[in-house]
Amino acid sequence: AQSVAQPEDQVNVAEGNPLTVKCTYSVSGNPYLFWYVQYPNRGLQFLLKYITGDNLVKGSYGFEAEFNKSQTSFHLKKPSALVSDSALYFCAVRDMAGGGNKLTFGTGTQLKVEL
Amino acid sequence: DAGVTQSPTHLIKTRGQQVTLRCSPKSGHDTVSWYQQALGQGPQFIFQYYEEEERQRGNFPDRFSGHQFPNYSSELNVNALLLGDSALYLCASLLLAGEPKYFGPGTRLLVL
Repeated sequence: AQSVAQPEDQVNVAEGNPLTVKCTYSVSGNPYLFWYVQYPNRGLQFLLKYITGDNLVKGSYGFEAEFNKSQTSFHLKKPSALVSDSALYFCAVRDMAGGGNKLTFGTGTQLKVEL
Repeated sequence: DAGVTQSPTHLIKTRGQQVTLRCSPKSGHDTVSWYQQALGQGPQFIFQYYEEEERQRGNFPDRFSGHQFPNYSSELNVNALLLGDSALYLCASLLLAGEPKYFGPGTRLLVL
């Protein structure tokens, strides 16, 4: 079964500093990986996805993610954090069995960016 | 383009009751997926509808059922509500061959 793990419940970072939100995955076959952000009382917003190709994926709002096959990781990064980036971040993997597009999500990481 | 819409935004029910949640997909999308997000958890896949049929299903009991209409909108029905059904229910809009990039704002269900 496909799965992702987010080892940190919360990440704190000062505004202007780089941020990293960690995700590791376990899949059979090639991984299709995603990052989403959720603001309070809101649905999920898509940030970026990795299917194949360049290991550094660029997404929305200045976010990027680094795919590392040897470490089975897909960490979300941003060079300079903003207070407005404070939100709940989810890593997800697409289950490709039978041509499906079901997503399996991690438990989420709360990002807090402080002044 | 209204994007993905869901109704109602909030709902309070008591144990044993039945509930119906609604989702209208983004214009041009033909597939709807439903997810349950319990407090402090990541979303969990309930099922997906395409061409008015259930195409994929997650590990949810038969109390959870759905429907898709010819205009691609969808309903999620939950019968015999349990306290543990309290959650945020999210609807994702997509094309069958694509990925769920667009989610609605969700319906927050509280079962007392």
